[in-house]
Amino acid sequence: AAGVIQSPRHLIKEKRETATLKCYPIPRHDTVYWYQQGPGQDPQFLISFYEKMQSDKGSIPDRFSAQQFSDYHSELNMSSLELGDSALYFCASSFGSFYGYTFGSGTRLTVV
Amino acid sequence: GQQLNQSPQSMFIQEGEDVSMNCTSSSIFNTWLWYKQEPGEGPVLLIALYKAGELTSNGRLTAQFGITRKDSFLNISASIPSDVGIYFCAGHHMEYGNKLVFGAGTILRVKS
Repeated sequence: AAGVIQSPRHLIKEKRETATLKCYPIPRHDTVYWYQQGPGQDPQFLISFYEKMQSDKGSIPDRFSAQQFSDYHSELNMSSLELGDSALYFCASSFGSFYGYTFGSGTRLTVV
Repeated sequence: GQQLNQSPQSMFIQEGEDVSMNCTSSSIFNTWLWYKQEPGEGPVLLIALYKAGELTSNGRLTAQFGITRKDSFLNISASIPSDVGIYFCAGHHMEYGNKLVFGAGTILRVKS
């Protein structure tokens, strides 16, 4: 079965640079979520989109923005990167509010 | 905000033993999900519970949604080495938005 696809898997950026993470949800899933997971921590919710509109916002820094496109894929844009932004970034998708809530394999961002 | 208290923090058990972990909260949830995460990978959904009192099995895994909607447990019977990983409980309620609220995780190690 098709899963949530994230790219890239690994990304190394320097401080103050910009990064773009991509997420392709499971076909027919209409909701996309972004989470950030620091070392040894549980995933923290950043933002979600339903039918291309932002549906909920968590602890997402102002330096980050995201959107969902007409084909339902989503991109998380991160600017002015800081060392503390180094983490695993997960995308998840679902049909409706939570049915089939499935995570991708994540993007490991390292800021040096 | 909503918090899930997950216990134990870690377990180191003998292969073949049964495992039990649980999550409690002072908040009510409408959905409880149990995920397993391996290093560098995204959380993989093990069991989803949608109804208070529901008891669901998936192979050697059994989970229950507490009748008060404030707790859930996960049991793993006859553990095997590949059960090693971090297990997260997660709760969802539309009142709290689209996000999942995660427990801190239980690290499971199995010695053969």
